[in-house]
Amino acid sequence: QVQLQQSGPGLVKPSQTLSLTCAISGDSVSSNSGAWNWIRQSPSRGLEWLGRTYYRSKWFNDSAVSVKSRITINPDTSKNQFSLQLNSVAPEDTAVYYCAREIGEGFDYWGQGTLVTVSS
Amino acid sequence: QSALTQPPSASGSPGQSVTISCTGTSSDVGAYNYVSWYQQHPGKAPKLMIYEVSKRPSGVPDRFSGSKSGNTASLTVSGLQAEDEADYYCSSYAGTPYVFGTGTKVTVL
Repeated sequence: QVQLQQSGPGLVKPSQTLSLTCAISGDSVSSNSGAWNWIRQSPSRGLEWLGRTYYRSKWFNDSAVSVKSRITINPDTSKNQFSLQLNSVAPEDTAVYYCAREIGEGFDYWGQGTLVTVSS
Repeated sequence: QSALTQPPSASGSPGQSVTISCTGTSSDVGAYNYVSWYQQHPGKAPKLMIYEVSKRPSGVPDRFSGSKSGNTASLTVSGLQAEDEADYYCSSYAGTPYVFGTGTKVTVL
């Protein structure tokens, strides 16, 4: 059974960096069949896919155009986890952030969600 | 990339069927057979119900079915049960790569 456990602060100041980590159990971040995604949800923007990292003989990353200049998603093979960094946050980045595994063009396992509030 | 369009709400009595539409464009829903559907109860993470238009993950009741015609995908819940009351979201690969729907609240009357 795959489990994703998220961790990270729930409050970030404007202009600073949002950092979250997703620890994986029951699968490997280096899997050749899965991809590891970050998705957020807010009342104003609904569900929004942010980006992913995946391994297919080498590491690949994709990100949404809306956050492309601000987002970094990194795998950590030593700890079997992956992370999200979102720079220069603003109040509109306030949302519940989820990590999720992607298999067969569907997100089949999700983390528990982390409410991140951007406020001074 | 614009969100896929879903009706805000849908409802049905126990035992009835409800169908939710998800309208996109020829660049997302119409271009790929990679539409998925998610059920979300309040305060919980979304749960995958359908992937690749019509496939059900293990453990999802066969009361849930998916289809697609042109730029519109649909989720049908047959034999509605009280526990089906939730928000439902569609998603499509869009080359960016993913876009989600606006969400539909299903109420069991």
